[in-house]
Amino acid sequence: GQQLNQSPQSMFIQEGEDVSMNCTSSSIFNTWLWYKQDPGEGPVLLIALYKAGELTSNGRLTAQFGITRKDSFLNISASIPSDVGIYFCAGGVTNAGKSTFGDGTTLTVKP
Amino acid sequence: GAGVSQSPSNKVTEKGKDVELRCDPISGHTALYWYRQSLGQGLEFLIYFQGNSAPDKSGLPSDRFSAERTGGSVSTLTIQRTQQEDSAVYLCASSSLQGATIYGYTFGSGTRLTVV
Repeated sequence: GQQLNQSPQSMFIQEGEDVSMNCTSSSIFNTWLWYKQDPGEGPVLLIALYKAGELTSNGRLTAQFGITRKDSFLNISASIPSDVGIYFCAGGVTNAGKSTFGDGTTLTVKP
Repeated sequence: GAGVSQSPSNKVTEKGKDVELRCDPISGHTALYWYRQSLGQGLEFLIYFQGNSAPDKSGLPSDRFSAERTGGSVSTLTIQRTQQEDSAVYLCASSSLQGATIYGYTFGSGTRLTVV
């Protein structure tokens, strides 16, 4: 089946630093979605990407849909303590109904 | 309701007992998913319901696990003869027909199951 490789597995950064994480796959996806999970909660959608090469921003977050449709990255600029959590990428295929999730990147921000 | 509701939020059970976990999806969402998340780990797919189609049960780890969705709405995940390795957070999510891959899932807050 389809698999996503998400890296890094974890990150420990200082408040104010920028963060970058990515997902790669051997399969092509039509959509890439990025979720964030706060402790004790379910994941919440941050950014959705629908077109190869697309670059989308949401506040301090920027995500890109790779030109090959097999990868995506998420950048967080000027990190703050509330950025702490687990970030998941997910790839979708139109009409497939079910997304494929990466294993997550756990982000720790030190004040 | 406004979001996906799961109950109970926490469940402690003795090894060997059966448990039922409930999920109320967003009204009108035809797709419903169950995932399992062990401590600090990723999302393990369990089962997927879409409308009146046969569910995709390919992620259920053993025959002790089963799920049903009544009337296309509420879903119950049942674990029989619980084992300690079943301890995890069980997350439910729902989406509209096309929404899964376009707008993403809406997740509930999960049920934390502890088997002692």
